[in-house]
Amino acid sequence: DAGITQSPRHKVTETGTPVTLRCHQTENHRYMYWYRQDPGHGLRLIHYSYGVKDTDKGEVSDGYSVSRSKTEDFLLTLESATSSQTSVYFCAIRGGQGVNEQFFGPGTRLTVL
Amino acid sequence: DQQVKQNSPSLSVQEGRISILNCDYTNSMFDYFLWYKKYPAEGPTFLISISSIKDKNEDGRFTVFLNKSAKHLSLHIVPSQPGDSAVYFCAASPSGAGSYQLTFGKGTKLSVIP
Repeated sequence: DAGITQSPRHKVTETGTPVTLRCHQTENHRYMYWYRQDPGHGLRLIHYSYGVKDTDKGEVSDGYSVSRSKTEDFLLTLESATSSQTSVYFCAIRGGQGVNEQFFGPGTRLTVL
Repeated sequence: DQQVKQNSPSLSVQEGRISILNCDYTNSMFDYFLWYKKYPAEGPTFLISISSIKDKNEDGRFTVFLNKSAKHLSLHIVPSQPGDSAVYFCAASPSGAGSYQLTFGKGTKLSVIP
């Protein structure tokens, strides 16, 4: 158990509303990631963070923003949700120094109507 | 441009037989490779990895083989069990400055038939 929780686990929202997903880790790891998983696309990186207030874009960052004000929390925000953002969102942390493995949270299923 | 490719979306295997999942990559900078297993409604879990300095890594029933010249890796599961039924993702990362990023394939759904 990598000590990662995500909230909420499920959310249904309407197009145009803002949505924030939270990832919380208890491991004090530096790197945190947000991915989305869609059928036929595998796991795609949205944004990642390499420290408090240090973030960068991934492959599919359009329409998403992130914030990391504390080591343990990494927030993903959809400023104005669209139906194309209906997906399962996973948070991950990277293992300690010299470790390439990432460890994933349980996921948040988001439906945008 | 897909840098990590899993060309078989699905695979069915009889219980007790060998499962072989394949993965190809195009980026020559990749030198660390990982396999993840994912059950429905759960997050992916790390299964096994291999560095480019090796051509084989074994952990119990799971063995990963790496063929650098062919840019190909495979995951062997022997013997396959019904609990192995899941989606398997191949992932790769470069060394050095880019090592914090993983690039994933699209996954292969393995069904082990009792």
